[in-house]
Formats: sequence, C-alpha cells, structure tokens
Amino acid sequence: KQEVTQIPAALSVPEGENLVLNCSFTDSAIYNLQWFRQDPGKGLTSLLLIQSSQREQTSGRLNASLDKSSGRSTLYIAASQPGDSATYLCAVTSGSARQLTFGSGTQLTVLP
Amino acid sequence: DAGVIQSPRHEVTEMGQEVTLRCKPISGHNSLFWYRQTMMRGLELLIYFNNNVPIDDSGMPEDRFSAKMPNASFSTLKIQPSEPRDSAVYFCASSLGDRGSGGYTFGSGTRLTVV
Repeated sequence: KQEVTQIPAALSVPEGENLVLNCSFTDSAIYNLQWFRQDPGKGLTSLLLIQSSQREQTSGRLNASLDKSSGRSTLYIAASQPGDSATYLCAVTSGSARQLTFGSGTQLTVLP
Repeated sequence: DAGVIQSPRHEVTEMGQEVTLRCKPISGHNSLFWYRQTMMRGLELLIYFNNNVPIDDSGMPEDRFSAKMPNASFSTLKIQPSEPRDSAVYFCASSLGDRGSGGYTFGSGTRLTVV
C-alpha cells in the first residue's frame, strides 16, 4: 500500500526566504506526482504535475523535482511571499488503481 | 471550462437525515473521484469511477454511503442516515486519461455538518 509522508508538518519563514518542502513515498512505481495548495476552508489548487518520466517541473517561483528511484520529491519556493501561506499537499498516482494517495501536508506561514 | 463544480458548498443537517452531495466533472474527463477530508484523517478516497463505472469503493466507510454516476457529467454521493461523525469536507475530483495522466482537478468541496 502506497504511503506518502511530508516533512516538515509546519514551517514558518520570513518573507523573501527560499524554502524547500519535502515529500517521500514508499512505492516508487508511480505514474505521476502532483503538488497542491490548499488555503484555509478552500479546495485544492493544482500547482505542478510531474509525470514519472520527468525529473522536474517549473511554474513561476515554484520548482518541483522528482527522484522516483529514491521515492522523493521536493517543492522549492523562491523568494517567498505572505501570499504563499497555505497548506501544501503532495500526492502520487501509483499501482493498478487510478487514485491519488495524499501526504498529510506542510502548513507554510510566510511572515511579512 | 468552469472546472469541477460541487453543490451545495455548505450543508447543515440533523442526525438521521439523508444528505446528497452533487458533482459535475470537467467535460471530457473520464475518471471521477470522491474524497473526504477531516483534521484527524486528512484526505481519504471514498470511491472512484472510470467511464461512469464504479471501479473501487473500498474507501466507502459504511453501507450508509452510496455513490452514483448516471452519466459522464454528473455524480452524487448520498449518506443515509447521516451521523455527526460524517461531518467533514467532501471533495470531488476528475481527471483525463488512464491513471490520471493529465493530473487531477478538484472541486471547491462541500462542507457537511451533521448535528
């Protein structure tokens, strides 16, 4: 059974700092990995999707990397802003099923 | 496209009442998923459909829960009778292609409170 772990559970940084969120998964036979953002009381917004054949994806100040063999992904946020404050969720698609398995998330607070 | 549309956004009901949550996936997406999110358990998959057919309902907690997808543009999740422990945010998501190769798009969720 696939398990996804995210570290740290919470992170507080001053504005302008570069930061890295970590995600690990137990079954390396994944089809893709997706990073989501969730604001309090809101739904999930897709940030980046990495296919299993890819090593990284970039969107603006966000960069996500994937090392399938070691079961790890990182989300790099450059020049953090208070508006980046949210919970970031990592999820993988794996196995014969088609569903996502989610990590428990990293709650990010960027202090002005 | 308006994205995945869920209704209602909020639902407050009394214990024992029937609750029906609705979802309209993105047009053309052939897979649909129902998730439940709670503080204690995070996001849990309840059931998913592929081409309108339920593929895996092992996440449905009890027989009180049922889901249908009568056509490609509509799905319902029903709880009957509802209980306070069913209080959670219920998300619907859709994807295109096998194994979500196009990524997953989530609706805004339905916040259910059972009193």
